[in-house]
Amino acid sequence: DAGVIQSPRHEVTEMGQEVTLRCKPISGHNSLFWYRQTMMRGLELLIYFNNNVPIDDSGMPEDRFSAKMPNASFSTLKIQPSEPRDSAVYFCASQKRSTGRNEKLFFGSGTQLSVL
Amino acid sequence: AQTVTQSQPEMSVQEAETVTLSCTYDTSESDYYLFWYKQPPSRQMILVIRQEAYKQQNATENRFSVNFQKAAKSFSLKISDSQLGDAAMYFCAYRPPNAGKSTFGDGTTLTVKP
Repeated sequence: DAGVIQSPRHEVTEMGQEVTLRCKPISGHNSLFWYRQTMMRGLELLIYFNNNVPIDDSGMPEDRFSAKMPNASFSTLKIQPSEPRDSAVYFCASQKRSTGRNEKLFFGSGTQLSVL
Repeated sequence: AQTVTQSQPEMSVQEAETVTLSCTYDTSESDYYLFWYKQPPSRQMILVIRQEAYKQQNATENRFSVNFQKAAKSFSLKISDSQLGDAAMYFCAYRPPNAGKSTFGDGTTLTVKP
């Protein structure tokens, strides 16, 4: 199992540009999460999906942020236009929802985003 | 909303010694799940240990164990016989029942001194 795959690993862009972060969850996992990690705010949940449907997007900071999950094996997080304060590490995580209910999160390696 | 508090931004321990990382949380639920995740410099988040609130017995995974005090809403992580590879940031996480999302604390950076 390749684990949760995120791309790119690093992204440097200029303010105002569109940024798209990509995630491939573990096969068979039906919950997907986007987290953002910064020194100031720690690990924040931005949005999560169950069976490709967005369940809670209350953590999405602004309308500049959008996330999609067109199928069970792919999700994107888009920032348009990007701003320097969006600089952070963005993690994607997936989880299998089962009757056990104590399933752990599997995290990708994260995307380090720097907006200049 | 649930909150998770890790009151120790940084901790250090001598190699082979024992260290305890603290975590408290706030919830009105009686059934929930608690986790400790480790984030080494590689940035990869890895599950260390998990605990179901309905279980009174504290979870143990090799050198890692928890002290779960449900009434006090406390969930500390004990690392015994600390190793250099234990150096990382450790996050405590809470997940309510019937909900997918987890809430994380701000993390504790653990340094292991040789």
